[in-house]
Amino acid sequence: GEDVEQSLFLSVREGDSSVINCTYTDSSSTYLYWYKQEPGAGLQLLTYIFSNMDMKQDQRLTVLLNKKDKHLSLRIADTQTGDSAIYFCAESKYSSASKIIFGSGTRLSIRP
Amino acid sequence: EAGVAQSPRYKIIEKRQSVAFWCNPISGHATLYWYQQILGQGPKLLIQFQNNGVVDDSQLPKDRFSAERLKGVDSTLKIQPAKLEDSAVYLCASSSGTENEKLFFGSGTQLSVL
Repeated sequence: GEDVEQSLFLSVREGDSSVINCTYTDSSSTYLYWYKQEPGAGLQLLTYIFSNMDMKQDQRLTVLLNKKDKHLSLRIADTQTGDSAIYFCAESKYSSASKIIFGSGTRLSIRP
Repeated sequence: EAGVAQSPRYKIIEKRQSVAFWCNPISGHATLYWYQQILGQGPKLLIQFQNNGVVDDSQLPKDRFSAERLKGVDSTLKIQPAKLEDSAVYLCASSSGTENEKLFFGSGTQLSVL
């Protein structure tokens, strides 16, 4: 079945880069997403990548996809206190927003 | 543009009681979703509506959960009777229903069943 796995916690120093990793099991996944959830809020789409891409960069965010290993990562450059949140990896076979499978989330903590 | 609105923000009930949550999606969004997010887990889809019709309710525990979207706009999700394991955040999301659409989430209703 479909499964998305992430480590639970990551702690980084302010100004350093954060790298959040994710593995998924469904080789037919077409779309891979990163969502951010701040305390008391819903999820917000940060970025997404199609399975035919290896990398996508958007300002401080870099997404790397290793389709062979079914491994997705999100790198946040120059991590700030405002980046403290839970980051969810998600995958879908479809271009529609339905059938998205979410991981359990990685809590990113920033230390001064 | 107004986001997805949900109410109430918090709800505390005793087991076996009933509870209802309300969601108003982004204006013009044809597709509406209810997700359950248990503490420490990612959201899990309960039900998906396209306009006022159900597209997917395969994960909805139909013996106790029900949802409706009668006029194809706002929606309610009901639990009757509630169990302890229903304690979670109930998130509503909406999307436009077009190609490469994105999900927009509300802030959720945090339910505690005692």
